Amino acid sequence: NAGVMQNPRHLVRRRGQEARLRCSPMKGHSHVYWYRQLPEEGLKFMVYLQKENIIDESGMPKERFSAEFPKEGPSILRIQQVVRGDSAAYFCASSPRETSGTDTQYFGPGTRLTVL
Amino acid sequence: AQKITQTQPGMFVQEKEAVTLDCTYDTSDPSYGLFWYKQPSSGEMIFLIYQGSYDQQNATEGRYSLNFQKARKSANLVISASQLGDSAMYFCAMRELGTGGFKTIFGAGTRLFVKA
Repeated sequence: NAGVMQNPRHLVRRRGQEARLRCSPMKGHSHVYWYRQLPEEGLKFMVYLQKENIIDESGMPKERFSAEFPKEGPSILRIQQVVRGDSAAYFCASSPRETSGTDTQYFGPGTRLTVL
Repeated sequence: AQKITQTQPGMFVQEKEAVTLDCTYDTSDPSYGLFWYKQPSSGEMIFLIYQGSYDQQNATEGRYSLNFQKARKSANLVISASQLGDSAMYFCAMRELGTGGFKTIFGAGTRLFVKA
């Protein structure tokens, strides 16, 4: 049973370009969470999605950032017109259902975005 | 508001000795879960241990144990018999189960160095 997959593992973009980060949850998991980790900091929640629905996007920046989790295919975190401050590690986590109690979120390896 | 505090930016421990990593939290929700994750230099997030707010006993997982002191709102991680491979960043995290929605809040982390 493969774990959470994220690709690419490393992504370099120039200012103003778009970044697309992909996350395939663990088999059987229908809930996806995205987190951002700035250098030397802890993870910050961004968004929680179920298939075809955004459940909680309270941690998403108001502009340039969007996320989706279509019925088929991976979850996508999209950053438009990237700026240097977007440089960070972006982690995806999945759970089999709405996370509560001991339900653990399983993390992917992360995508490290560098904006030049 | 929920908050996680890890006051030790870095810790050193001699191989084979035990070490305690501190974590305090703040929440008004009586129902919550506490987690510890390990992040080695390769960057992935590895789940270590979980403690529920209503659990009567401290959680243990192999060499990891969680010293849960509810009245003090602390959830320190104890690693016994440290190994060189334990050198990593360690993050304490909390999820409010009643009112916190679906996000997990992370502390800033403690970097552990195990000396041979």
